[in-house]
Amino acid sequence: DSGVTQTPKHLITATGQRVTLRCSPRSGDLSVYWYQQSLDQGLQFLIQYYNGEERAKGNILERFSAQQFPDLHSELNLSSLELGDSALYFCASSPDGETYEQYFGPGTRLTVT
Amino acid sequence: GEDVEQSLFLSVREGDSSVINCTYTDSSSTYLYWYKQEPGAGLQLLTYIFSNMDMKQDQRLTVLLNKKDKHLSLRIADTQTGDSAIYFCAESNRDDKIIFGKGTRLHILP
Repeated sequence: DSGVTQTPKHLITATGQRVTLRCSPRSGDLSVYWYQQSLDQGLQFLIQYYNGEERAKGNILERFSAQQFPDLHSELNLSSLELGDSALYFCASSPDGETYEQYFGPGTRLTVT
Repeated sequence: GEDVEQSLFLSVREGDSSVINCTYTDSSSTYLYWYKQEPGAGLQLLTYIFSNMDMKQDQRLTVLLNKKDKHLSLRIADTQTGDSAIYFCAESNRDDKIIFGKGTRLHILP
């Protein structure tokens, strides 16, 4: 158990809908990262937040947005969902924003039908 | 753009050494990583190496980095059935973006 929690574990929704994935970092960790893992694209870095501020941005679509709240939990919002957005979405946290010390959550499996 | 390549499959007999190879293109990489993903689970950081090192050993794991050839390898000594998983090579640079390979599925033969 990494100490990073993600909810929900599974999510099934229809195309065009909007969903919110939630991540609680390990106690004391200031940085949160979001990743998407799909069969065709592999594992891709989406975005990183550090202490509430966006720190690094990867291959995140404009239909996706994220934020980190004052209590350091983070939410990833996915809108206008397409079939290709079906994937595992992982959250990771690190104590001080260094990429070499990330702890991954168990993931949220999103299925878009 | 930056890319990380690794072979998709590797089969090894129990007790033998496993060597998983990876190549990357980003010459400004600062850290290189190996992650392990077991079925139905998230990623677990196994080890990482700073780009100015060429070797790191941690119990059964040995990481070798050839910066000139941009080649990274992970050696697992005395491979056990519990080592069966997908192993991801990854690199990050000063922009703090981390790029992953597609993963190598390690299969252990009895």
